[in-house]
Amino acid sequence: NAGVTQTPKFRILKIGQSMTLQCTQDMNHNYMYWYRQDPGMGLKLIYYSVGAGITDKGEVPNGYNVSRSTTEDFPLRLELAAPSQTSVYFCASSLMSRAFFGQGTRLTVV
Amino acid sequence: GDSVTQMEGPVTLSEEAFLTINCTYTATGYPSLFWYVQYPGEGLQLLLKATKADDKGSNKGFEATYRKETTSFHLEKGSVQVSDSAVYFCALSAEGNTGKLIFGQGTTLQVKP
Repeated sequence: NAGVTQTPKFRILKIGQSMTLQCTQDMNHNYMYWYRQDPGMGLKLIYYSVGAGITDKGEVPNGYNVSRSTTEDFPLRLELAAPSQTSVYFCASSLMSRAFFGQGTRLTVV
Repeated sequence: GDSVTQMEGPVTLSEEAFLTINCTYTATGYPSLFWYVQYPGEGLQLLLKATKADDKGSNKGFEATYRKETTSFHLEKGSVQVSDSAVYFCALSAEGNTGKLIFGQGTTLQVKP
């Protein structure tokens, strides 16, 4: 059982570049989330989705976009990377308030 | 708005010592409360949860009791092991079953042999 799978695990971007962080889950959960984790800080919610075709902003959505065309996939798009987006990104899905997390993507913007 | 506050870390203990990590919250209504653990290089895993006042969540020797009167959910373990070294996050879910979580800043636990 794969659970929540994120790719890539590591990435270095130059300022102004764009990229997509991939996230897929095989548990048929309707709810999916993207968080970022900065050093010494808790996780901040970027975007979330309550089902295919439905997305909504979280606490820190600026500079990011998401889509949810299927139940399984919830990619996160960075259009113009900035140093402030250097962070570890976690995708999660949930059932009955219990969240399952991917292993994270460590992104550095230089 | 809703928030979670945890004690500052890192917490350094010797093996078999007693552990307490404090967590307090601010929320309207009746949130569900959680402790998640993050081992090095991994994502977060649910450690325990409590969904109503006076509930006690427990798992792997860890316990936490939902105290509505003090808005707290402190994590305890009677005898820690080196393998318990990790970052511990307190969290709340204030919107029913959506699973949207609000996290504290995390507390790093280091257990020395």
